[in-house]
This record gives sequence, C-alpha cells and structure tokens, in this order.
Amino acid sequence: QTVVTQEPSFSVSPGGTVTLTCGLSSGSVSTSYYPSWYQQTPGQAPRTLIYSTNIRSSGVPDRFSGSILGNKAALTITGAQADDESDYYCVLYMGSGIWVFGGGTKLTVL
Amino acid sequence: EVQLVESGGGVVRPGGSLRLSCAASGFTFDDFGMSWVRQAPGKGLEWVSDIHWNGGSTAYADSVKGRFTISRDNAKNSLYLQMNSLRAEDTAFYYCASNHGSGSYPPGYYWGQGTLVTVSS
Repeated sequence: QTVVTQEPSFSVSPGGTVTLTCGLSSGSVSTSYYPSWYQQTPGQAPRTLIYSTNIRSSGVPDRFSGSILGNKAALTITGAQADDESDYYCVLYMGSGIWVFGGGTKLTVL
Repeated sequence: EVQLVESGGGVVRPGGSLRLSCAASGFTFDDFGMSWVRQAPGKGLEWVSDIHWNGGSTAYADSVKGRFTISRDNAKNSLYLQMNSLRAEDTAFYYCASNHGSGSYPPGYYWGQGTLVTVSS
C-alpha cells in the first residue's frame, strides 16, 4: 500500500521562506497525481490552498505556491507570517477515483 | 453565501449504523463532484469517499469499502454517507466537501464545518 509522506514538523522564522514536501513511499510524484494542499488550524475545517499542483484557490495570497520539486510535490510559503502557523496536508490522486492524504506537517513560525 | 452543512453525527455503538447528510446551498450543486473527508480527534485528514456530479461513479477508501455508501440527491442539493458496521476507528469529524470539478477532482473547493461521529459502547 502506497503511503503519502510529509515532514512531521517544520519551523520557519517570521518573514522567512519554507518549502514543505509531499512524497510517495514508492515512486515519484508528478502532476498526474494532482497534488493539492490544505491548511488547518485546531478546531477549524480545512482550507484549500493549492490544487492540481500549482493552482491557487480563491483568496489565497500569492506567497503560497505549489510545484513539483524533484520527485515530490512542494508547497512553498514565502514571507511567513505568524498566522501561517498551522497544520498542512497534501493529497494525491492514486487513480480509480481514490485520493490519499499525507500525514500532515505541523508548521511553527518562530 | 455558499454553505455546506453536515448533520446526522452522534454516538453509536460498535456494529451500528448512521447516516450523515450534507445540505448544499449558494452554488450549483450538480456542477460538482462531492467528497467526504474525516479526521479522528488529534489525527490527520483521511479521504473517505467521493461521488461524481450525477452519482454515476463512486469511490471509497479501503478502510470503509463495503461498509459505507455515498449517494446524492441533486434535486435536494444534498449529499449522504450511509455508514454501516461502524467500528471504534470510525470515530472522527466527518467533513463534506465539493470537488474542484464534476468528477474525481481534488476535494475542497468548498468545505463544510464537519459533524462528529463517535463509535463507543
């Protein structure tokens, strides 16, 4: 069974840049996996940031961007702000209508 | 205003059944595929199931296949999740979400606020 991998935790300084990644336990992530990214703060519903690799959802600031870096999908946050401190999840399309989320990355801004 | 409002959550005994509903408003419901995504308390997101705009195609996570059934009624702008043979590990917040298209597109064009299902004896 393929597992979607994410860094469990990451930290970034205010104003800094951070890149979170989303990989596969076996194989490489490509645009064919339609990687998408979500932000979630405790007690809240998820918020979609990026879908289908690099399309920014409505209202999402352009300091959030998505890409493929090497064999992984990536979410880059530039000019990190205090309210970016959240959990970030990616999801990948496995075919046959099946989607699999990664375990999430807890981002700390300090 | 776009709204997805889940209902039907609650406490159920192991082996029991529950039916979740999601009422959509503020957008053209049958333009979108729809998904259920769940989150156990303190855990990560888990994709559960999705359904195409016309109900013609459905998909399920292995963890729920054969026990859960997704359906929709476009005339009522509603999405459903029939959950049978419930287990303790099904305890979670269940979120309704529209997809980024009419079929199996990424979930989350719109999100509901979730409903809590607790499976406990």
